[in-house]
Amino acid sequence: GAGVSQSPSNKVTEKGKDVELRCDPISGHTALYWYRQSLGQGLEFLIYFQGNSAPDKSGLPSDRFSAERTGGSVSTLTIQRTQQEDSAVYLCASSSILKAFFGQGTRLTVV
Amino acid sequence: DQQVKQNSPSLSVQEGRISILNCDYTNSMFDYFLWYKKYPAEGPTFLISISSIKDKNEDGRFTVFLNKSAKHLSLHIVPSQPGDSAVYFCAASERDDKIIFGKGTRLHILP
Repeated sequence: GAGVSQSPSNKVTEKGKDVELRCDPISGHTALYWYRQSLGQGLEFLIYFQGNSAPDKSGLPSDRFSAERTGGSVSTLTIQRTQQEDSAVYLCASSSILKAFFGQGTRLTVV
Repeated sequence: DQQVKQNSPSLSVQEGRISILNCDYTNSMFDYFLWYKKYPAEGPTFLISISSIKDKNEDGRFTVFLNKSAKHLSLHIVPSQPGDSAVYFCAASERDDKIIFGKGTRLHILP
């Protein structure tokens, strides 16, 4: 497709389980971001990939969160041992030069 | 330490009037600024941008003003319409570096 694709669109998981969220960026975009938006809150930066450079992980809230980007394209955000406070919409964006395009997000609910 | 700040979490404006959303930044190296709009259950979408070599950029009802000396930018929407009700995110970047977003301002257009 032409846009950023995220899957699943919704995910309900039990507390303590691991989850994987996927992002397919726009082809050719070198930069990829993960953000999350908790209920009533703004965009919280999580991690940034740019080309072959080491990712900027400064926004990851704990070591339960990790992300990888394989082959400079698809990215997976993994949350281990999920907690209720991890419930949020997780947004992925990719960019070429100066403009980011967002996916629709994955709504994660931890019960 | 927020580099991009949107100090008003929400704003209500009468339909037909001007909406002014404000944004402040701290990094004087930022040279490109963007505004995004987000509806519920959707990812943010690009609205308008401005380069630091300009102080104004206009696109239809939307105008962005940049005051570099004050490290301040604003988005003007005139006339405001019901469909403008959304969350607006200000963002900034240095050339070739990551785009940093503010926390957002929720705009309510009142009938």
